[in-house]
Amino acid sequence: GAGVSQSPRYKVAKRGQDVALRCDPISGHVSLFWYQQALGQGPEFLTYFQNEAQLDKSGLPSDRFFAERPEGSVSTLKIQRTQQEDSAVYLCASSTRDSGYNEQFFGPGTRLTVL
Amino acid sequence: AQSVAQPEDQVNVAEGNPLTVKCTYSVSGNPYLFWYVQYPNRGLQFLLKYITGDNLVKGSYGFEAEFNKSQTSFHLKKPSALVSDSALYFCAVRDDYTGKLIFGQGTTLQVKP
Repeated sequence: GAGVSQSPRYKVAKRGQDVALRCDPISGHVSLFWYQQALGQGPEFLTYFQNEAQLDKSGLPSDRFFAERPEGSVSTLKIQRTQQEDSAVYLCASSTRDSGYNEQFFGPGTRLTVL
Repeated sequence: AQSVAQPEDQVNVAEGNPLTVKCTYSVSGNPYLFWYVQYPNRGLQFLLKYITGDNLVKGSYGFEAEFNKSQTSFHLKKPSALVSDSALYFCAVRDDYTGKLIFGQGTTLQVKP
């Protein structure tokens, strides 16, 4: 299927380690979003790209979080010096363009556990 | 600021009975509303959306939702529940300025045989 894919599906990191989470959006989708979903909570917005441009990063919780999408397709979310509070599922979503009419299609997520 | 609320943490229904999962919203402009479903260890799957037009929106897997502007509600409904409908359901509103989705806390639907 040509859905949104994310890797790895599961990541265990020791506190202080850096991690990189990858998202492959649906081919041709211009918009890409990252969300963080804590246990028992709804997803919360982290950042948004339109093609390679990061248009909104207001949801990134600290300067340890960094996201990029250099060629306007694959995106990477990087977390430096991980902390226990970073443990969550990180969801990537893509849509055809930034429009209220278009639903976002979500990947399966990466479950990050920081020990 | 945009927000949605899902007042019920869990909804229990018997298979074959109608189900309703509640959602209320608060927006400053036109509401663009969505319902998603999440199965264990999987991402969110789109069910339906309200953009404009008919207040009754039909979506995937027999689900529908009723938009009520005066009550600022967007409840998810299904005439006859299936055990396989058991999952976590999220209501969301699109932020007018950024395009991001703002989600409710989620409602666990449990359908008993």
